[in-house]
Amino acid sequence: GAVVSQHPSRVICKSGTSVKIECRSLDFQATTMFWYRQFPKQSLMLMATSNEGSKATYEQGVEKDKFLINHASLTLSTLTVTSAHPEDSSFYICSASTSPYNEQFFGPGTRLTVL
Amino acid sequence: QKEVEQNSGPLSVPEGAIASLNCTYSDRVSQSFFWYRQYSGKSPELIMSIYSNGDKEDGRFTAQLNKASQYVSLLIRDSQPSDSATYLCAVIADRGSTLGRLYFGRGTQLTVWP
Repeated sequence: GAVVSQHPSRVICKSGTSVKIECRSLDFQATTMFWYRQFPKQSLMLMATSNEGSKATYEQGVEKDKFLINHASLTLSTLTVTSAHPEDSSFYICSASTSPYNEQFFGPGTRLTVL
Repeated sequence: QKEVEQNSGPLSVPEGAIASLNCTYSDRVSQSFFWYRQYSGKSPELIMSIYSNGDKEDGRFTAQLNKASQYVSLLIRDSQPSDSATYLCAVIADRGSTLGRLYFGRGTQLTVWP
């Protein structure tokens, strides 16, 4: 149980394009989903927290107009990187939780490369 | 601000030995504690969750929690080369606007050599 999937696993795009990443909880309902970014050899950095049906809460320094998050159902959240640039190249990971007090289960991650 | 401190390592143990990973946290009201394992280039994987004082065992893994000392540890018995990874201690924010947010330590890199 507690499986979280992400799609795509890897994406290469040209600078200026937008990329959408999907995060799905396959066998449980996730009231809360989280989006992280991780650069090589660095720690996980929380980008935003989203609750189903509500606007996402972004961490300080994360541009909400650039990283659009939608949590339309209890099993699906999406992250759209708009007008991607090479500095957005990173490993994007989502996690999902059944409640704020419970453990988070992580998806396998999406490796984004912007040329 | 919640702080989670881990012995940064790296930690190197021979196959079959016990690996001991330690973590301290600053927020006394924290109630939920987790250990994640992250292989290089992969996402974190939940190893253990612990919510009350004492020991919790799952296979070769034992988590220990001492809320009075604000200390949580992970013991890996009979360490295997496949256990070589970075281990992340995480504490959940259980109040206020940051409810549900995980605070991670910097991680301890473990190497188990054959």
